[in-house]
Amino acid sequence: NAGVTQTPKFQVLKTGQSMTLQCAQDMNHNSMYWYRQDPGMGLRLIYYSASEGTTDKGEVPNGYNVSRLNKREFSLRLESAAPSQTSVYFCAWGSGQPQHFGDGTRLSIL
Amino acid sequence: ILNVEQSPQSLHVQEGDSTNFTCSFPSSNFYALHWYRWETAKSPEALFVMTLNGDEKKKGRISATLNTKEGYSYLYIKGSQPEDSATYLCAFMGTYKYIFGTGTRLKVLA
Repeated sequence: NAGVTQTPKFQVLKTGQSMTLQCAQDMNHNSMYWYRQDPGMGLRLIYYSASEGTTDKGEVPNGYNVSRLNKREFSLRLESAAPSQTSVYFCAWGSGQPQHFGDGTRLSIL
Repeated sequence: ILNVEQSPQSLHVQEGDSTNFTCSFPSSNFYALHWYRWETAKSPEALFVMTLNGDEKKKGRISATLNTKEGYSYLYIKGSQPEDSATYLCAFMGTYKYIFGTGTRLKVLA
C-alpha cells in the first residue's frame, strides 16, 4: 500500500510482553513516521526519523523505542506492553507532501 | 501547543445531500494544509494539497478551500453518496511541524 509494508497486521499481547512492529518503504525516502490512532484522538505521532540513523520523539513517545538502521526500514518496539498501548499503529513516509501510510497494525494488550 | 481542530466530529447525511466540514489550524508559520480521506479498515489517502491563501481544489464532487490568514479550510461534498462515507482528516504543515486534526467521520445514508 503506497510503497509501505507494515507487519504484523494484528497482534495480541499480554501485559509485560515485548514486541517489534516492522515497517519498510521501497520509495527511497528519508522521512518515516510511527503514529497511533485511538478513538476520538486522530493520529498521534509517536516517533519520527528524518533520515537513516536519526530518530526524534513525537507527541506520545513514552513506552516505545524505535530504530532506523537503514533508509528502508523503521521499526517500533514495545519493551513492556501495557493495556494503554492497545491501539492501531500506522507507519508512514513523506515530507513536504502528504504522507503515505501502511495498512496499520491492530495491537491489543490484555 | 499547536492545535488542529475539525468540526463536526461526526455527521450523518442522506444520499444526495451536500455537506461541508471545517479544519481550523494555526495561522502562523503556515506551509501547507493537506486533506486525507480515510475509509474504515484502510489507511489514510491524500485528497488535496493546499498551499496558497484562497486556494480552491476540486476532485469530482469533493472540493476544498483555504484561508491561511484566518486559519481555516472547508471541505465540501456535493450530492453525497454512500461511498463517500469515511473519516476526513486534515493535517497542518508548519515550520518543522506536521499535525493531524482528529477528523470528521461522515456517514452517508442510502
